[in-house]
Amino acid sequence: DTGVSQDPRHKITKRGQNVTFRCDPISEHNRLYWYRQTLGQGPEFLTYFQNEAQLEKSRLLSDRFSAERPKGSFSTLEIQRTEQGDSAMYLCASRALRTENYGYTFGSGTRLTVV
Amino acid sequence: AQKVTQAQTEISVVEKEDVTLDCVYETRDTTYYLFWYKQPPSGELVFLIRRNSFDEQNEISGRYSWNFQKSTSSFNFTITASQVVDSAVYFCALSETGGFKTIFGAGTRLFVKA
Repeated sequence: DTGVSQDPRHKITKRGQNVTFRCDPISEHNRLYWYRQTLGQGPEFLTYFQNEAQLEKSRLLSDRFSAERPKGSFSTLEIQRTEQGDSAMYLCASRALRTENYGYTFGSGTRLTVV
Repeated sequence: AQKVTQAQTEISVVEKEDVTLDCVYETRDTTYYLFWYKQPPSGELVFLIRRNSFDEQNEISGRYSWNFQKSTSSFNFTITASQVVDSAVYFCALSETGGFKTIFGAGTRLFVKA
């Protein structure tokens, strides 16, 4: 296990199309997070899973966004009807239970460009 | 509401200089955690340190040191004898105990010139 993997690394899509990103956390980490980072800003929280349960969602996550973590392993983040404002780096992070206040292990991110 | 402010947008230093990155935070909680992360040009965020609100001891790790002052709500980060490899964006962050999310500052971009 070499860390948190995200796929794809880059995605260019036309406005109005749907996109899906995948995150594979460190295998023993049961907590998984999605963050979004726009240019010149820090990451902003989107959603959090503990195992397969989605326990918190940010108000940033409009109804065009949906995230899943079936079987508590990998996670997907889908954006429907993409808009130019969705262009950003989407970051996945994970950590193990009982380390909630230690640092995250982040993936390299998926950079989305909506044209 | 929680907030993290990194007033320095960019800092440029010459190699071997010391540099301090400022971080000021706001929270109504009495128990919370503070973090620093590094984001090098490759893009992947790397965890550097966590501090809890009950522990105001300064910490040193090699060329890195952190100064936590609850009285001024600050958690500053100093790099001693900076190196070109320290060039990156550095983020300060805050989370509540038991909270699910971490609030990040906007980051400080550090350029270290040879």
